[in-house]
This record gives sequence, structure tokens and C-alpha cells, in this order.
Amino acid sequence: EDQVTQSPEALRLQEGESSSLNCSYTVSGLRGLFWYRQDPGKGPEFLFTLYSAGEEKEKERLKATLTKKESFLHITAPKPEDSATYLCAVPSGNTPLVFGKGTRLSVIA
Amino acid sequence: ETGVTQTPRHLVMGMTNKKSLKCEQHLGHNAMYWYKQSAKKPLELMFVYNFKEQTENNSVPSRFSPECPNSSHLFLHLHTLQPEDSALYLCASSQDPPRRTNEKLFFGSGTQLSVL
Repeated sequence: EDQVTQSPEALRLQEGESSSLNCSYTVSGLRGLFWYRQDPGKGPEFLFTLYSAGEEKEKERLKATLTKKESFLHITAPKPEDSATYLCAVPSGNTPLVFGKGTRLSVIA
Repeated sequence: ETGVTQTPRHLVMGMTNKKSLKCEQHLGHNAMYWYKQSAKKPLELMFVYNFKEQTENNSVPSRFSPECPNSSHLFLHLHTLQPEDSALYLCASSQDPPRRTNEKLFFGSGTQLSVL
């Protein structure tokens, strides 16, 4: 069964303290790995799609990377406004995105 | 106007009530979805509609009844719900159905449902 596992479950950082979030996946024939950001009380907001091992994408302080078994979301010099839950997901068979439980990030000023 | 709009944003209902959630997408997409998000759990897919036709029903109890009158509108009709059905219900759309080229989902802000 295809699965997506995210770690850590929660992460607390000081402003400016860089770190990485992990997403490991098991899926037959990867058709893309998706990262979303979700703020409290809102729907997930698309960040990146990665399609092949070695691919990297960047947006402001975020950089996503992909290997054959996992993806990392690197956060460089985070700010309080980066606080959110970050979700990782993959398409699976005939169904749309299967999501991990997410990493709840808190950035303290 | 946002791409995917859901109403109401919040809903409180008793177990004997009947209510409906509404979703409208303004993106010209061909597929629409209902997801359920409960605390400490990953998003759970409930229903998939491709070109107005339901293609997936992930063993959802019959007290949840979807309706897709056209490719822009999606409803979730609720009746005789249980307290464990309290959750954030998210609507999403995508340009293409699963297994096609563009599977990126766009989400609405959700309806926070509380069942008393």
C-alpha cells in the first residue's frame, strides 16, 4: 500500500534558525511529489511539485529536494510568518493525492 | 475571487439535522474532490468526480451524500451525522483527473463542521 510519512510531527525554531522537514514515501511509479502549506482554519496551499530524483525547487526561504525514497523541505532563516503545517503528498493509482500527517512548524521571534 | 470557494465556513448541527456543504470552483477544472481532515490524521479522500461523474467513493458512510450538478459545483449533503464526523471538510479541484498530466489540487478554505 502506498504510504507517505512525515517527520518530525512538530518543529519549533527560533527566527533565523534553518532546518529541514522530511517526507518519505513508498509508491509504485512516482508521478510527482507535492508540497503544500496549510494555515490554521484554511485549506492547503500549493508550494511545489517534484517529479524526479535530484530535482530541486525554491520559493523564497523554502527549497524542496527529492530522492528516490524521500523529499526534504529546507527552510533557510525562517521568519514567524513561515509558521504553518507543511504537508507532503503523492498521487496513487487512480486516486488523487495521498497526504502525510504533516509537520507543524512554529517559528519564534 | 478565490479559485475554490466553500460555504459555509463554519457549521454546527445536531445529529438529527440535514445540511449541505457547497463548493464552487472558478478555475475551469474537470475534476472535483471532497476530503475530510480530522485532528492528528492525514487528509482522507472521500469522493472524486471527473467531468461530473463520480469515480471514487472511499467507503464513505451513506450519511454523506455527494452531488455534482456540473463541473463547477459540488455539494456534500449531510444527514444523521455522528459526533465523530466533526472535522474540517475540504473541497478541491484539479485541471485533470488522476492519472492525467496535471494532478495538482487546488483547495478551498474548508467548512469546519461540529456535530453535537
